Amino acid sequence: KAGVTQTPRYLIKTRGQQVTLSCSPISGHRSVSWYQQTPGQGLQFLFEYFSETQRNKGNFPGRFSGRQFSNSRSEMNVSTLELGDSALYLCASSLSLSTNYGYTFGSGTRLTVV
Amino acid sequence: GNSVTQMEGPVTLSEEAFLTINCTYTATGYPSLFWYVQYPGEGLQLLLKATKADDKGSNKGFEATYRKETTSFHLEKGSVQVSDSAVYFCALNAGGTSYGKLTFGQGTILTVHP
Repeated sequence: KAGVTQTPRYLIKTRGQQVTLSCSPISGHRSVSWYQQTPGQGLQFLFEYFSETQRNKGNFPGRFSGRQFSNSRSEMNVSTLELGDSALYLCASSLSLSTNYGYTFGSGTRLTVV
Repeated sequence: GNSVTQMEGPVTLSEEAFLTINCTYTATGYPSLFWYVQYPGEGLQLLLKATKADDKGSNKGFEATYRKETTSFHLEKGSVQVSDSAVYFCALNAGGTSYGKLTFGQGTILTVHP
């Protein structure tokens, strides 16, 4: 079956612009989480959605936002981009809220802000 | 808060050597524990998991046992291969209000030489 699909794979943006990243979870998975990965900070949790509701949010500024659609697909948006937003953004999906399930990750979107 | 600490890296081994990557955690309640692996240019792949104390997760020759008394989840493999070269992340999901949120260690780079 298809895995978690993230688009685009690579993105170059200019400071001050905004960007939208997309994530299609595995069919049937209703929980979608987003992470930012940088060499300095490692993997940091951004937010998590379940059935179109944001259930958890990490310690990121309000410029970072997301949403989930009725088909479980999710988007995250970053407004007023800063150089420090350059990172690999990873999406993960899971079957349910149970901690017993692992999370399946996509290949990520590599965002470069210049 | 919840946290995961991995052994300092990088780790360099010869093929067929024994591997141990230490992982300890701090969490309230009874978290589920995971090991993920990341190959260059890719997202994270779930390697193994354990959901309760004394559980042993295993996959592809890798093993880890959930030790609540020492709050540890060390990754081991009896004989590593060059193809095991990657970055390994220990993670926990504490459940409760943290549903959908994985807390990661800083990652350990493993390089295996022929």
